[in-house]
Amino acid sequence: GIQVEQSPPDLILQEGANSTLRCNFSDSVNNLQWFHQNPWGQLINLFYIPSGTKQNGRLSATTVATERYSLLYISSSQTTDSGVYFCAVEGSGGSNYKLTFGKGTLLTVNP
Amino acid sequence: AAGVIQSPRHLIKEKRETATLKCYPIPRHDTVYWYQQGPGQDPQFLISFYEKMQSDKGSIPDRFSAQQFSDYHSELNMSSLELGDSALYFCASSATGGYTFGSGTRLTVV
Repeated sequence: GIQVEQSPPDLILQEGANSTLRCNFSDSVNNLQWFHQNPWGQLINLFYIPSGTKQNGRLSATTVATERYSLLYISSSQTTDSGVYFCAVEGSGGSNYKLTFGKGTLLTVNP
Repeated sequence: AAGVIQSPRHLIKEKRETATLKCYPIPRHDTVYWYQQGPGQDPQFLISFYEKMQSDKGSIPDRFSAQQFSDYHSELNMSSLELGDSALYFCASSATGGYTFGSGTRLTVV
């Protein structure tokens, strides 16, 4: 099946700093999503971004499908941004109609 | 907007008991998925249904079964529970534009 690698595994920031999270995947994809898992365990969808660039407030994401990677940018980080960020992909092969998750990046934003 | 509804939110069971988790997908979403997330782990795919038929199967133990009903809601049944089954269980549904996850059921087996 498709492989998803996220980096870094852990990231500690001071409030106000910017960060970039990376997701590499091993095959072509139909779907790529970024999620934020909050301390209560909820998976919050941030972006549906199989290709191109999107922005939502302080967050933006870029997927370069031909090079099989995606980046999530967080600017002016806040303590509420803390949590685990997951990249998940749906491969474009015939039997890949499900999301496969990376191991996640644990982000801690200190005041 | 309607979301994916899961119940219950929390469940505590003893070893060897049975648990049933329910999921109500977003209306007109044609595929339902179940995922299991152990402590400190990423969500792992268990099983999916497309138009009430099982469409794919992951690392789901034989003690677990699932089905999708005529009203499109889905249930995950887990029997002979083990301590290692303690996890967050997510349901998701999908259409063009991505997957939407429910808030999850936190199962604790004691």
